[in-house]
Amino acid sequence: QQQVKQSPQSLIVQKGGISIINCAYENTAFDYFPWYQQFPGKGPALLIAIRPDVSEKKEGRFTISFNKSAKQFSLHIMDSQPGDSATYFCAAKIPSYGKLTFGQGTILTVHP
Amino acid sequence: DVKVTQSSRYLVKRTGEKVFLECVQDMDHENMFWYRQDPGLGLRLIYFSYDVKMKEKGDIPEGYSVSREKKERFSLILESASTNQTSMYLCASSPPGGSSDTQYFGPGTRLTVL
Repeated sequence: QQQVKQSPQSLIVQKGGISIINCAYENTAFDYFPWYQQFPGKGPALLIAIRPDVSEKKEGRFTISFNKSAKQFSLHIMDSQPGDSATYFCAAKIPSYGKLTFGQGTILTVHP
Repeated sequence: DVKVTQSSRYLVKRTGEKVFLECVQDMDHENMFWYRQDPGLGLRLIYFSYDVKMKEKGDIPEGYSVSREKKERFSLILESASTNQTSMYLCASSPPGGSSDTQYFGPGTRLTVL
């Protein structure tokens, strides 16, 4: 049972464009929604995260939009750069032991 | 600086072999996790541990076991490796619940079972 569904599986964007990755979840007990970024040969690293009491969080060029009623959240990368090319994972956490459920991942390629 | 290390970056084993994957963190974290990463499937939790000698099954524990004898070390064991266990294995750690929800990942071990 996939509790967090992520789309698209891959995304190609031109430099300067906006990259948008979407996730949908099923379990309303989730209380924390992070996005992780993974470069080739590296482990994932936390990029940005949001809790369900806010609808948007912005850090630099990265923004999470959160829609609690629709059980969806998305990552927006403004002014996308070739250095943003990586695999992005959304995730969701239930309030015990910090256990995360991850989405399937999106491979982002930003062309110069 | 936060650091999670994994014993091997690449590993090749034969079907039926016993395989040990080691993970060490230097952050004094209580929680440690083992995931496998497969294309199109994301990261799937195999086992996690919230304290020394404590372990909990994740979403796909079949064919795996774990050991946590010391706080900083969490081992994943494949008792009898099979070809369907060829994958990227990622270890992560995090502080106890309430202090931080961030998981810190190691670089991964790419295991090939022939």
